[in-house]
Amino acid sequence: GNSVTQMEGPVTLSEEAFLTINCTYTATGYPSLFWYVQYPGEGLQLLLKATKADDKGSNKGFEATYRKETTSFHLEKGSVQVSDSAVYFCALSTYTGNQFYFGTGTSLTVIP
Amino acid sequence: KAGVTQTPRYLIKTRGQQVTLSCSPISGHRSVSWYQQTPGQGLQFLFEYFSETQRNKGNFPGRFSGRQFSNSRSEMNVSTLELGDSALYLCASSLNDPGNQPQHFGDGTRLSIL
Repeated sequence: GNSVTQMEGPVTLSEEAFLTINCTYTATGYPSLFWYVQYPGEGLQLLLKATKADDKGSNKGFEATYRKETTSFHLEKGSVQVSDSAVYFCALSTYTGNQFYFGTGTSLTVIP
Repeated sequence: KAGVTQTPRYLIKTRGQQVTLSCSPISGHRSVSWYQQTPGQGLQFLFEYFSETQRNKGNFPGRFSGRQFSNSRSEMNVSTLELGDSALYLCASSLNDPGNQPQHFGDGTRLSIL
């Protein structure tokens, strides 16, 4: 079956610290992988995506690389800001492209 | 360009009642997906509609149903409400396939069951 496992939170970091949020997946076929971010009181927003092995998605200083050999899609940022405080969700879409599986979310708080 | 609009934003119901939630997708988007978000279970896929047809359904009981209209607006209905149905219900739209184009999420409807 299809599933996403991401690291438990909450995560608290100081401003300018390095961020890694781990995500691994199980999928049949060749999924696309995504990171979504949810700010308080809002819906989810697409942060970045990768559609095939070795692709690197990047946006707003965040990066993630699609690693087929380790079935991983870890999210990284070199220097976090207070404004990055949010809940981050790793997700995959099925080969047919119309069903998503989300991880449970990782809450990030960045303190000044 | 207007985003995905969900109404109402908040809803309070009692056990045994039924509820209908509405979602207006971004203009031109034909795919609408629904998710249930709870602290314990995270985001769980309910169903996805495209051109008025349900293409995929998640693992939820038959009390959860939905439909899509010819203008792509979608509704979901939950009958015989249970306490465990308290959650944030999110709707997302995309052009065609949500896996191949970005999904755009609404701010959700928060449903509380007393």
